[in-house]
Amino acid sequence: AQTVTQSQPEMSVQEAETVTLSCTYDTSESDYYLFWYKQPPSRQMILVIRQEAYKQQNATENRFSVNFQKAAKSFSLKISDSQLGDAAMYFCAYRSAGGVKIIFGKGTRLHILP
Amino acid sequence: GAGVSQSPRYKVAKRGQDVALRCDPISGHVSLFWYQQALGQGPEFLTYFQNEAQLDKSGLPSDRFFAERPEGSVSTLKIQRTQQEDSAVYLCASSLDADIYGYTFGSGTRLTVV
Repeated sequence: AQTVTQSQPEMSVQEAETVTLSCTYDTSESDYYLFWYKQPPSRQMILVIRQEAYKQQNATENRFSVNFQKAAKSFSLKISDSQLGDAAMYFCAYRSAGGVKIIFGKGTRLHILP
Repeated sequence: GAGVSQSPRYKVAKRGQDVALRCDPISGHVSLFWYQQALGQGPEFLTYFQNEAQLDKSGLPSDRFFAERPEGSVSTLKIQRTQQEDSAVYLCASSLDADIYGYTFGSGTRLTVV
């Protein structure tokens, strides 16, 4: 069975600085998707970034980028120029390429210090 | 509608009471998912519909949980004889094509069983 592990329950970063959230996963599959979701107090899960496992190039979305290390089964999220609105829970997630279920980690709460 | 709508936003139930949680997916989305998010945890898969067919209910924790989507649009998650361990946020998500468009989540229903 696939598992997703986030080892940092909470992190803090100064506004305008850069922060990296860690995620490792376990799978025997070769084709899958990885995601980072943001969950603000409104509770809605918002997709931040997604990575296809077959793509070697790391995904980027504006201030958000990932470091995808397939052999190490590592998928970290880097947030550059942190803003107050980035404060939220961040979940790393996995989905098999041929499946529909998303498997989430336990989340990392990110605090932005003004 | 523009997004996935869930109601009620909050529900307090006395232990032993039956509850019904509603999800209105985005119009035209064929896939619909229910997730359970306990306090301080990541969401966990409950069940999945494609149109009106419930294709996977492997995540439903007990036979007290029942989900339906009779006309392939609105879905209801019913919990009978609620227990304290059922307290959680119940998230609904819908998708037109997960590989292309991903999932859109609602803001969830927070259920508290007292």
